[in-house]
Amino acid sequence: DVKVTQSSRYLVKRTGEKVFLECVQDMDHENMFWYRQDPGLGLRLIYFSYDVKMKEKGDIPEGYSVSREKKERFSLILESTSTNQTSMYLCASSSSGPWFHEQFFGPGTRLTVL
Amino acid sequence: QKEVEQNSGPLSVPEGAIASLNCTYSDRGSQSFFWYRQYSGKSPELIMSIYSNGDKEDGRFTAQLNKASQYVSLLIRDSQPSDSATYLCAVNKGNFNKFYFGSGTKLNVKP
Repeated sequence: DVKVTQSSRYLVKRTGEKVFLECVQDMDHENMFWYRQDPGLGLRLIYFSYDVKMKEKGDIPEGYSVSREKKERFSLILESTSTNQTSMYLCASSSSGPWFHEQFFGPGTRLTVL
Repeated sequence: QKEVEQNSGPLSVPEGAIASLNCTYSDRGSQSFFWYRQYSGKSPELIMSIYSNGDKEDGRFTAQLNKASQYVSLLIRDSQPSDSATYLCAVNKGNFNKFYFGSGTKLNVKP
């Protein structure tokens, strides 16, 4: 079974603090993704990566950065949090190849910024 | 226009009935289609994928794809209370396996 893990299930931070969310997958997947999910807005892609040290902006990259130094790890960084970054953050991974592969999700991190 | 549209619901069906969930997408070049189930407070879990026109059955679930009309549907037969969840439709347009998700349809199955 594919396993995607995330470093924290719940986080509470104050405005301006730095947040580091880590995602690890154990299936040697090339692609990794960070989403945020908000009521009524669905899943929105923040960043994704298709290879080590490679990254692409998603639909809402402002206020976020990412790092992928190893194939199995993809980190999301919030340098200076704001209240509008309160959300559920979901990491996903998928394999590459000539066909289209499903994404597998981690358990999510619920971030609250006060 | 959103890439993927779903009725937010809630859709209420009695136990044992067929639940029908629908999704439309805007890009005619979309390549693959997925249905995810998400329980409250949990992450999405893949339940079906479909790539070509027609029906695909897996147990109580049937996915239907009509590329000419640009819609995807999910039928759940013999609905159970445990099927109560939000169902997300996802579409892939072929670029780096990037998905576009609908906002989800909430399904309530009443005992």
